[in-house]
Amino acid sequence: DAKTTQPTSMDCAEGRAANLPCNHSTISGNEYVYWYRQIHSQGPQYIIHGLKNNETNEMASLIITEDRKSSTLILPHATLRDTAVYYCIVRVAGSSNTGKLIFGQGTTLQVKP
Amino acid sequence: EAGVAQSPRYKIIEKRQSVAFWCNPISGHATLYWYQQILGQGPKLLIQFQNNGVVDDSQLPKDRFSAERLKGVDSTLKIQPAKLEDSAVYLCASSLAGGGNNEQFFGPGTRLTVL
Repeated sequence: DAKTTQPTSMDCAEGRAANLPCNHSTISGNEYVYWYRQIHSQGPQYIIHGLKNNETNEMASLIITEDRKSSTLILPHATLRDTAVYYCIVRVAGSSNTGKLIFGQGTTLQVKP
Repeated sequence: EAGVAQSPRYKIIEKRQSVAFWCNPISGHATLYWYQQILGQGPKLLIQFQNNGVVDDSQLPKDRFSAERLKGVDSTLKIQPAKLEDSAVYLCASSLAGGGNNEQFFGPGTRLTVL
């Protein structure tokens, strides 16, 4: 079972920041937070991941609370092309890990003009 | 770089028939995954290969599903015989390695409809 809780759906106005929350209250110290998204009729796409520090890349920013029990994915200027299902996943990373991603239901983000 | 390739993109069969899906991962990627995505749900891992060896097949229904990656590159996933509940999108993904923080790259998937 997925170890994260996300809202089922969210709307965002085009050009505005989209803030997608994720609850992972049972996260372990060696588990990372990963975000993937899946645009309609495509395979999932990696966005970003982090352990405890905030992370930023060309796609998004990831804010993780100090207690690591929740996080927020931020798309700073959402476009219509960002309409997708966003998955928050916790995963152990290490040489002994199988790399399995356990997907939940995700959040359907609808960006509106 | 070329992405993960899958074929066919769509397949319609009748229950109790057999079907096979093909995946060509990104060049140099040692780890290959097959996921099943039922409509309205997130993908679920069926099997993971590290080169040509199976790392995790705990969620693979072995009475009807089989997968192989004989030369450690391409892979095929087979269903025999198919059931109505096998209707789903079958996604193939690859990564440089299974551990660490290696990003998984997904193919476009094969949409299977079982009638």
